[in-house]
Amino acid sequence: AQSVTQPDIHITVSEGASLELRCNYSYGATPYLFWYVQSPGQGLQLLLKYFSGDTLVQGIKGFEAEFKRSQSSFNLRKPSVHWSDAAEYFCAVGDSGNTPLVFGKGTRLSVIA
Amino acid sequence: NAGVTQTPKFQVLKTGQSMTLQCAQDMNHNSMYWYRQDPGMGLRLIYYSASEGTTDKGEVPNGYNVSRLNKREFSLRLESAAPSQTSVYFCASTRGTGTGRRGYTFGSGTRLTVV
Repeated sequence: AQSVTQPDIHITVSEGASLELRCNYSYGATPYLFWYVQSPGQGLQLLLKYFSGDTLVQGIKGFEAEFKRSQSSFNLRKPSVHWSDAAEYFCAVGDSGNTPLVFGKGTRLSVIA
Repeated sequence: NAGVTQTPKFQVLKTGQSMTLQCAQDMNHNSMYWYRQDPGMGLRLIYYSASEGTTDKGEVPNGYNVSRLNKREFSLRLESAAPSQTSVYFCASTRGTGTGRRGYTFGSGTRLTVV
């Protein structure tokens, strides 16, 4: 069965610093990978996705993620964090079939001045 | 605006009461999903419907029932609410019959408290 691990429950970074959120997945075939962001009291918004091709994918709000098959990882990065990036981030894995998305438990990002 | 609409946004129930959470999408999507979100647990799938007329259990279906009323609407029913069902419930949809390359579009959630 598919599974997703987000090792970091909570991360605090300073505004302007770089950010990397970790995501590891378990899946036999080529996965479809997603990052979602959830602002407080809101629903989930898709940041970016990977299903094939270039392993470095660009998303909205200046985020990018890199798919590394050898490490079963799909880490999310941003070069310079803004206070408005404070939110909860979820990694999810799916496939080309009918299996629903499986989500990680999330990483809460706090941004300090 | 196009998207996924959930009603109500907030609800307080007494233990044993029943209620139905409504979800509707206007994107002509085939698949619809119900997740619950609890602190430290991420999103867990309750039920899903890969196409109109079909429903399947997810990871945590106990205590819930669903109805895919038509292509647009997918409701979640709690027959006898329990405090363990206190959660935030999200409905989502996608065009294909599975994950697809587009990912899911989520509603804004229903915050349910069972006392």
